[in-house]
Amino acid sequence: SQTIHQWPATLVQPVGSPLSLECTVEGTSNPNLYWYRQAAGRGLQLLFYSIGIDQISSEVPQNLSASRPQDRQFILSSKKLLLSDSGFYLCAWSSLRGGDTEAFFGQGTRLTVV
Amino acid sequence: AQKITQTQPGMFVQEKEAVTLDCTYDTSDPSYGLFWYKQPSSGEMIFLIYQGSYDQQNATEGRYSLNFQKARKSANLVISASQLGDSAMYFCAMRVLGGGSQGNLIFGKGTKLSVKP
Repeated sequence: SQTIHQWPATLVQPVGSPLSLECTVEGTSNPNLYWYRQAAGRGLQLLFYSIGIDQISSEVPQNLSASRPQDRQFILSSKKLLLSDSGFYLCAWSSLRGGDTEAFFGQGTRLTVV
Repeated sequence: AQKITQTQPGMFVQEKEAVTLDCTYDTSDPSYGLFWYKQPSSGEMIFLIYQGSYDQQNATEGRYSLNFQKARKSANLVISASQLGDSAMYFCAMRVLGGGSQGNLIFGKGTKLSVKP
């Protein structure tokens, strides 16, 4: 069966420090991968999505970046965090083969920038 | 551009009663999928139900049903026989299956449902 792993679960980082959040998927190949951010009490904002290795689409201009060095690995990064980067980050995957299917989410990372 | 609108920031329902959560969407693409997710306070996103744009019948999954009105571009979620455990945030989402944004899954701002005993 397919599983998605996202870590760390919580993170407290000072302003100006770098960030690296990792997400890996098991049990499937060539998934669509997504990074979302959710501010407190708000909806999900799509940050990046990827349909293949090194194929990244950015939805919102910001100081974050994403990379997909391997088929089932999706990394969210920042060189210098801002206070406004605080939030709940969710990784998700889905497959469009054989028709549309739901997206499966990781457990999320709660990032607090101080 | 694709957009999902959920106009109810919060809803209350009495336990054992039915409740409808509203969702409207906007897309010019003929091929798309509509989803509902539940997010309890723990933060995890739980998939509830899916409706494809070409599906002739409304989707149902247990106590969840999707009232799909294509001409109105609405995809309301109906929860029957509400339970205390249904208290959570509910998100409507859409994925367009063609064009330059293929696979892009976008969400509404959510509705917070509170079930009263």
